[in-house]
Amino acid sequence: ETGVTQSPTHLIKTRGQQVTLRCSSQSGHNTVSWYQQALGQGPQFIFQYYREEENGRGNFPPRFSGLQFPNYSSELNVNALELDDSALYLCASSVRDRSGYEQYFGPGTRLTVT
Amino acid sequence: QKEVEQDPGPLSVPEGAIVSLNCTYSNSAFQYFMWYRQYSRKGPELLMYTYSSGNKEDGRFTAQVDKSSKYISLFIRDSQPSDSATYLCATSSGGSYIPTFGRGTSLIVHP
Repeated sequence: ETGVTQSPTHLIKTRGQQVTLRCSSQSGHNTVSWYQQALGQGPQFIFQYYREEENGRGNFPPRFSGLQFPNYSSELNVNALELDDSALYLCASSVRDRSGYEQYFGPGTRLTVT
Repeated sequence: QKEVEQDPGPLSVPEGAIVSLNCTYSNSAFQYFMWYRQYSRKGPELLMYTYSSGNKEDGRFTAQVDKSSKYISLFIRDSQPSDSATYLCATSSGGSYIPTFGRGTSLIVHP
């Protein structure tokens, strides 16, 4: 088990609603990345935060936004939910300055949009 | 064409077999190569991480990168039923720290 935790585990929302997902990084990690994983697909990069600043963004619309806090925990916010947003949302933490490619994933939050 | 291609399987092998899992990639800027294992309803777990071409061994696992053919492999020796999972390859260019994942290959090791 990694030290990365995510909440909630599961979530059901209605189209058009807003959702906030939370991630607590592994101790000592200063970088957090968020991914969307649809069923049968690999994780797709949403964005990355390094020391509270967005440090890269994938091909996702602006209704996907995030925050990283001073303790390096993070939130992913999704507005105006669409049916296609149903997926497993993963966060991963790493130490950018040392071994940024060694990312440690949390268990994910499974979001269902109806 | 996706940047990282991976056959989804499933790949079914008997216990004790040598397993070969493969990916191809298209971006010659990729220099970092990772393999993750993902059990059902869990997050991916980093197995191995290599830089540039060559082999890297860790216990029963060997990762191999051939940059000339843009081909990545993971070999599992003496496969066990507990190895049954989805294996994801990922690559990244220098400095971005943002991996691009394949879709994963489902491996089933039956007793």
